[in-house]
Amino acid sequence: KAGVTQTPRYLIKTRGQQVTLSCSPISGHRSVSWYQQTPGQGLQFLFEYFSETQRNKGNFPGRFSGRQFSNSRSEMNVSTLELGDSALYLCASSQGWENTEAFFGQGTRLTVV
Amino acid sequence: DAKTTQPPSMDCAEGRAANLPCNHSTISGNEYVYWYRQIHSQGPQYIIHGLKNNETNEMASLIITEDRKSSTLILPHATLRDTAVYYCIVRVAEEYGNKLVFGAGTILRVKS
Repeated sequence: KAGVTQTPRYLIKTRGQQVTLSCSPISGHRSVSWYQQTPGQGLQFLFEYFSETQRNKGNFPGRFSGRQFSNSRSEMNVSTLELGDSALYLCASSQGWENTEAFFGQGTRLTVV
Repeated sequence: DAKTTQPPSMDCAEGRAANLPCNHSTISGNEYVYWYRQIHSQGPQYIIHGLKNNETNEMASLIITEDRKSSTLILPHATLRDTAVYYCIVRVAEEYGNKLVFGAGTILRVKS
């Protein structure tokens, strides 16, 4: 069974640009969550999608958005990139959305210059 | 904010049991305790979770106190590959969906 796939693995962008990251969950999983990891703030929850609906949102500005497709694949978008957006972005896949274990991908390392 | 408190770091000798403590004194009755670990620059890996009873799987054992205010993750025979940051998480059940609130975790160093 394939794990959670995140693409791309590495990305370099310039301030002011926008970026789209992709996450393919484990087959059969319907919940996808996104997290940001930085040295200063640690792992922080961005948002969770289940059945194409955003179920929960963390405390991030509106520049961070996401969506989920009918096949459960998810994308997150960051617009007007800032230097502080440099981070490891992690996607987690769960079968349901009520106390089921989450399986993480390897992440996308975003560097904003 | 994370609802758990963990020591910042611990050392363990290879082949010995690693016992990682976690305090979660404000845990609610329907909240589970989850453990994840993260090896450098990789995504977190699920280890185990529990509600009230002790749990065991092929990776570890989870001991939860009767009052549920604390728990201990036990790696029975630690190896060098177990060196990682270990996160104890109380699974927050929101009205819609769930999220994981990570604290700083415990850096476990397994030494030969």
